[in-house]
Amino acid sequence: DQQVKQNSPSLSVQEGRISILNCDYTNSMFDYFLWYKKYPAEGPTFLISISSIKDKNEDGRFTVFLNKSAKHLSLHIVPSQPGDSAVYFCAASRYGQNFVFGPGTRLSVLP
Amino acid sequence: DTEVTQTPKHLVMGMTNKKSLKCEQHMGHRAMYWYKQKAKKPPELMFVYSYEKLSINESVPSRFSPECPNSSLLNLHLHALQPEDSALYLCASSWARERSYEQYFGPGTRLTVT
Repeated sequence: DQQVKQNSPSLSVQEGRISILNCDYTNSMFDYFLWYKKYPAEGPTFLISISSIKDKNEDGRFTVFLNKSAKHLSLHIVPSQPGDSAVYFCAASRYGQNFVFGPGTRLSVLP
Repeated sequence: DTEVTQTPKHLVMGMTNKKSLKCEQHMGHRAMYWYKQKAKKPPELMFVYSYEKLSINESVPSRFSPECPNSSLLNLHLHALQPEDSALYLCASSWARERSYEQYFGPGTRLTVT
C-alpha cells in the first residue's frame, strides 16, 4: 500500500510556463515533506521542503504548497526551464526521519 | 566538498558470488543510508547508520549485510543474491539521523544479478 502517491507518471510543459507537480499521502502522522529532483545516472538532489506547521514555502522559482486536510502537496515551478527536465520525487516523514518516497513524476520542459 | 561517491558504478554478479558496494563521504556527516530503487519505483530505505551504529534495518534479507568501518565509509556486502535484487543501490548521508531531511545522495550502483 503506497503511503505517498504521485499519480502523474509524466508531465510536459512549455518553457516559461508553470509546472505543477502533485503528491498525495495517506498517513496523517507525516509532518515533514520534501521534493527531490533526479537526473539520469545521478542520485536524487534535495530541492525544497515544508513542515506541517506551514502551508507554503518558497525558494526562487520553486514553491511548495501543503494542504493538510486534503493530505496533498504540490510543487510549482515558474517559469519552467529546459534544465528542470528531470524526475521529481515527493517524500514524506514523521519528525523528519525515515522518509517514504513517492513513485516520481517525469517532467519534460519543451523549448 | 558536498559529494557522496559510490563504487562501482555498475556491477554484474552471479547468484553464487560475493561482492561489496562502497560509499564514501567527507562532509563530516554522522548518518549514512542505503536505499534500493527498482526501475520506475521510488527509493526504498534499507539501512540507516547513525554514529557508525546500525540504527534501522528495514526488514532486509540477510543476503545484504551493511558495514560502517568509520564515519566516512559505508559498505554493503552482497552474497547469494537473487535476480529480483537487481536494482539501483543508492547511498546517502546527512549531518545526523535527526537531520535526514538534508540527505545528500550518491549517483548509485546499478546492480544486475544473473
